[in-house]
Amino acid sequence: KAGVTQTPRYLIKTRGQQVTLSCSPISGHRSVSWYQQTPGQGLQFLFEYFSETQRNKGNFPGRFSGRQFSNSRSEMNVSTLELGDSALYLCASSLSGFEQYFGPGTRLTVT
Amino acid sequence: DAKTTQPPSMDCAEGRAANLPCNHSTISGNEYVYWYRQIHSQGPQYIIHGLKNNETNEMASLIITEDRKSSTLILPHATLRDTAVYYCIAALIIQGAQKLVFGQGTRLTINP
Repeated sequence: KAGVTQTPRYLIKTRGQQVTLSCSPISGHRSVSWYQQTPGQGLQFLFEYFSETQRNKGNFPGRFSGRQFSNSRSEMNVSTLELGDSALYLCASSLSGFEQYFGPGTRLTVT
Repeated sequence: DAKTTQPPSMDCAEGRAANLPCNHSTISGNEYVYWYRQIHSQGPQYIIHGLKNNETNEMASLIITEDRKSSTLILPHATLRDTAVYYCIAALIIQGAQKLVFGQGTRLTINP
């Protein structure tokens, strides 16, 4: 079975721009979660979607948003990029809610 | 979610058992204990989880104390590929929804 895939793997953006990251979960998984990882803050939960509905949300500003499609694929969007948004963005999918399977991440650099 | 405390780093010799402790003294009765690990530059990998009883799978064993205030992850025969940051997390699952709150973890180095 294919794992979680994330596109693109690397991205460079300029301050003030917006960015959309994509995540395709493992086939059959309906829950998708997003995390941000930085050297200073570590791994932080962004939000979780299930059946196109956001079920959980972390403590991030409204510039961070997401959505999930009927095929369980998910996107996250960051608007008005700041230098501090440079991070590894990780997506994870889950079938049962117990085990989360992470993708390789998208490394975003904001200049 | 209960806060967990782990030692920042540990070393273990290849072939020996690696025992990684975790303190979660404020864990509530329905919070699960999870262990994930992250090998450099990769996404975290699920290892094991448990509620009250000890658990074992093909990767590791999880020993939870009777009062549930601490737990130990055991890698029975550590290999160099087990070098990673190991995260202990206490989290609720509500209607299948889970939010993992990662701490700083333990950087485990397996030495040849």
